[in-house]
Amino acid sequence: AQKITQTQPGMFVQEKEAVTLDCTYDTSDQSYGLFWYKQPSSGEMIFLIYQGSYDEQNATEGRYSLNFQKARKSANLVISASQLGDSAMYFCAIVTDFRKAAGNKLTFGGGTRVLVKP
Amino acid sequence: EAQVTQNPRYLITVTGKKLTVTCSQNMNHEYMSWYRQDPGLGLRQIYYSMNVEVTDKGDVPEGYKVSRKEKRNFPLILESPSPNQTSLYFCASSLGGLAGEERHTQYFGPGTRLTVL
Repeated sequence: AQKITQTQPGMFVQEKEAVTLDCTYDTSDQSYGLFWYKQPSSGEMIFLIYQGSYDEQNATEGRYSLNFQKARKSANLVISASQLGDSAMYFCAIVTDFRKAAGNKLTFGGGTRVLVKP
Repeated sequence: EAQVTQNPRYLITVTGKKLTVTCSQNMNHEYMSWYRQDPGLGLRQIYYSMNVEVTDKGDVPEGYKVSRKEKRNFPLILESPSPNQTSLYFCASSLGGLAGEERHTQYFGPGTRLTVL
């Protein structure tokens, strides 16, 4: 079974600074996908960024980038130039074993709460 | 606009009164899923569907039913709700399939906050 670990329950970041959110994963599958989602206080789950296990380059989406270190099984999210609107819970998630129907299931980490200070 | 919609967004009900939470997506996605989010337990999958008329249990299916009669709709049915089903519910969809990692990016609906008294 796969597992996602987010060791930072919460953190503060100064506006306009960068912040790194840690995520480590555990899976025996060779093919998998890693995702980051943002959940603001309003509750919705917003997809941020995706990294495939076979992607050689780190994924980037605007101010979001994913620091993918396959050998260490880590997929840290970097948010550059933090904004007040970045205050939210952030979840790392994994999908594995795409050959099976059940492999489409997202397994989530416990999340990291980020509070951006003005 | 590509989106997943859920209704209702908020619901307070009483034990035993059947309810349905609707979910609809306009992205022609094959895969749809229901999750519940609880403090300390994170997000857990309830049921999923690979395509029309194909559904299967997730990690916490007890007390729930689903159906997939049309590709775009995936309602969650609570036949006899109980207080332990008080939770935040999310519907999600993706292209799905058995190949291509990008197809598995799941897009979530806005969530339904359910309280069962």
